[in-house]
Amino acid sequence: DAKTTQPPSMDCAEGRAANLPCNHSTISGNEYVYWYRQIHSQGPQYIIHGLKNNETNEMASLIITEDRKSSTLILPHATLRDTAVYYCIVRVAELSSGSARQLTFGSGTQLTVLP
Amino acid sequence: DAGVTQSPTHLIKTRGQQVTLRCSPKSGHDTVSWYQQALGQGPQFIFQYYEEEERQRGNFPDRFSGHQFPNYSSELNVNALLLGDSALYLCASSLGWSAEAFFGQGTRLTVV
Repeated sequence: DAKTTQPPSMDCAEGRAANLPCNHSTISGNEYVYWYRQIHSQGPQYIIHGLKNNETNEMASLIITEDRKSSTLILPHATLRDTAVYYCIVRVAELSSGSARQLTFGSGTQLTVLP
Repeated sequence: DAGVTQSPTHLIKTRGQQVTLRCSPKSGHDTVSWYQQALGQGPQFIFQYYEEEERQRGNFPDRFSGHQFPNYSSELNVNALLLGDSALYLCASSLGWSAEAFFGQGTRLTVV
């Protein structure tokens, strides 16, 4: 699976949009971008994933650049409860011999939402 | 739906002992993965079970073993505990190959 690079920490004012960047310059054509977050003392929580088109769900939006080498997770109106470590992960979506099945977590970005 | 449940929530063991951690997957999920998370680090993949077989394994020694039962629940066993095994152990369930995994709250293991 491709390696990802994220800033170690970011702050965001409550009510404002939080934009979390991720670089994945070695991503392959069959790899998706997944975002998870981990609130302190809890297990990671799936947020969203995408291949090459922008995606939106009730939690967040995912913007993937045209060359797919980077992406941005957007929390449109951050709240204090969004304070967490956010992980960007790339992984193949189709099973084939030798494909990695695991989610490879890096160090993530610690997002702190300030009141 | 209870989601992914893990037991126990906390555990203290002595170096050299053995421990068994348990996981019940989310209803409808058939695949269980285990992760170890040391303090201040991201989760590290231990192994994944599907159809009662270990399908993939991370870089962990043979002291770490597992099992999946016909009802898809799973156990993680760690033998000859070391101080360095102290960590949060996370269970994640998914449907088949999907990377949309649901994680439990974890078991906090402390080895003294």
